[in-house]
Amino acid sequence: DAEITQSPRHKITETGRQVTLACHQTWNHNNMFWYRQDLGHGLRLIHYSYGVQDTNKGEVSDGYSVSRSNTEDLPLTLESAASSQTSVYFCASSFDKSYNEQFFGPGTRLTVL
Amino acid sequence: RKEVEQDPGPFNVPEGATVAFNCTYSNSASQSFFWYRQDCRKEPKLLMSVYSSGNEDGRFTAQLNRASQYISLLIRDSKLSDSATYLCVVMLREDYKLSFGAGTTVTVRA
Repeated sequence: DAEITQSPRHKITETGRQVTLACHQTWNHNNMFWYRQDLGHGLRLIHYSYGVQDTNKGEVSDGYSVSRSNTEDLPLTLESAASSQTSVYFCASSFDKSYNEQFFGPGTRLTVL
Repeated sequence: RKEVEQDPGPFNVPEGATVAFNCTYSNSASQSFFWYRQDCRKEPKLLMSVYSSGNEDGRFTAQLNRASQYISLLIRDSKLSDSATYLCVVMLREDYKLSFGAGTTVTVRA
């Protein structure tokens, strides 16, 4: 069955380290998104991509980067992890711009000490 | 001001009860509206889209009021399995990005 996966599911790291969270989908969706979810906030968009080699900044992109070298993967990199980046990270995908439903991965719980 | 605001609840209701809650959105140009459901520590999943004329999906009824810029969700005959956080989601057509509310928590008790 087609799916969207994230790894690792849990990660503890130290301030200043570079961290990469993986997102992989097998639906052949064009659009992929990264969100973070914190208590008291809705999901906030970090970065998104509408296709291979396309990347765009979301509302909370500072300190994060993404690259899209193929359809299936959109890895999220924290260049120098900060305690403020402790959060639950969700990856999502959708078929194309006009298709509204986004399918979410199971999430990665990241703790920065 | 947040783009999408919701009463966080929790709404504690007995099985079989009806529960309703709203969310408000700030951008009058918003074009598409949805309710997502999120179970504890799990990923959000689409519950239903919200259409201008209102729509039902089984025990769930969604309404849109563009003039007052709010969306509502009503759950009839609540089941234990309806216990979850319900996320109000809004999309601006021109950028196709989704804006999420922080969620309304519903707990259905036996």
